[in-house]
Amino acid sequence: GQSLEQPSEVTAVEGAIVQINCTYQTSGFYGLSWYQQHDGGAPTFLSYNALDGLEETGRFSSFLSRSDSYGYLLLQELQMKDSASYFCAVNNFNKFYFGSGTKLNVKP
Amino acid sequence: ETGVTQTPRHLVMGMTNKKSLKCEQHLGHNAMYWYKQSAKKPLELMFVYSLEERVENNSVPSRFSPECPNSSHLFLHLHTLQPEDSALYLCASSQTTGPEREQYFGPGTRLTVT
Repeated sequence: GQSLEQPSEVTAVEGAIVQINCTYQTSGFYGLSWYQQHDGGAPTFLSYNALDGLEETGRFSSFLSRSDSYGYLLLQELQMKDSASYFCAVNNFNKFYFGSGTKLNVKP
Repeated sequence: ETGVTQTPRHLVMGMTNKKSLKCEQHLGHNAMYWYKQSAKKPLELMFVYSLEERVENNSVPSRFSPECPNSSHLFLHLHTLQPEDSALYLCASSQTTGPEREQYFGPGTRLTVT
């Protein structure tokens, strides 16, 4: 079967750094994606890692370790607008498997 | 219009009704997807279309019937649904179905089955 584990909820303060972890067990693997979804909104793409290492895009970075079946999303200089749910997703060619999402609460 | 649009945004239907959800993408993409999002559960991929051909069907019950008449439009036909089918149905598109594809999601249709 396929399973992705991520924490259900994380709380941090404005300006801080937060890391959202994702571990996965899937029968096939091409890469790990991250999506952001605000309440009532559509998921939006944040990043994709196919190879081990860190990918940086502005305040957001994503890391992958294929040997550990593990990745994380790092959010720096948190802003109130970062309050949302964050989903990791494993790409298995034509298929995506999503985690249940991590709700990030950013407090002033 | 830009991006991915879905209509209707909200739908309430009885178990004996037949209705259809519509998705349209204005991005020139070749792949389209239907997902189901239920509270506290992962997004579930339902169907994948590439160049108007269905390439994935994730063991979805036959009461859900997809249709892709062209690369810009995707429908989900619904009939004799169950209350547990109440959820947010999201449509997405991507340039191709290759593994590095970024998916663009529509705002979803909130479906309630009574």
